[in-house]
Amino acid sequence: SQKIEQNSEALNIQEGKTATLTCNYTNYSPAYLQWYRQDPGRGPVFLLLIRENEKEKRKERLKVTFDTTLKQSLFHITASQPADSATYLCASHGSSNTGKLIFGQGTTLQVKP
Amino acid sequence: DAGVIQSPRHEVTEMGQEVTLRCKPISGHDYLFWYRQTMMRGLELLIYFNNNVPIDDSGMPEDRFSAKMPNASFSTLKIQPSEPRDSAVYFCASSLNSGGNQPQHFGDGTRLSIL
Repeated sequence: SQKIEQNSEALNIQEGKTATLTCNYTNYSPAYLQWYRQDPGRGPVFLLLIRENEKEKRKERLKVTFDTTLKQSLFHITASQPADSATYLCASHGSSNTGKLIFGQGTTLQVKP
Repeated sequence: DAGVIQSPRHEVTEMGQEVTLRCKPISGHDYLFWYRQTMMRGLELLIYFNNNVPIDDSGMPEDRFSAKMPNASFSTLKIQPSEPRDSAVYFCASSLNSGGNQPQHFGDGTRLSIL
């Protein structure tokens, strides 16, 4: 079955460092990958979308890559701040490319001052 | 602009009771999604609608769950009878169009506890 997998272990880093989160997909080849941020008690908030023909996408301190050979997307936050602490979810449509999204379990990032 | 609005934010009820969760999508969005989130299973799609018509309900766990969208600005998710294993956070989301390049806009969820 089509799967999106993220490292379920929390990532702890020091303020100012770069955080790198990993998303792997299996059993299909999505044309797009999306990244969301979720704070405790809130719904996921859309951050970035990357297309399969885009190797890299940037938005302020965020950078996302898409490697179709490795079947992987990396999400980077540079110059991390305590306010970046949250759970980050990777998502993609299934092979039918309908509105239906498959979400990874999410990786919790903790940035320590 | 108003985002997706869900009510209630919290619901605590006893097993066997009927539960109704409500959602108002963003105006102009043609797609509405209901998700359930638990620690064990993460975020799971239950059902989604296009222009008020249910398109895919394959994620609905069993017949105790039902969802309706009587008009473009309102949807309900009903559980009858409720069971403790239904305890979770239920999210509603909407999007402008379909396709993997469309971001979804989520409400802040209903935290449901079945005792």
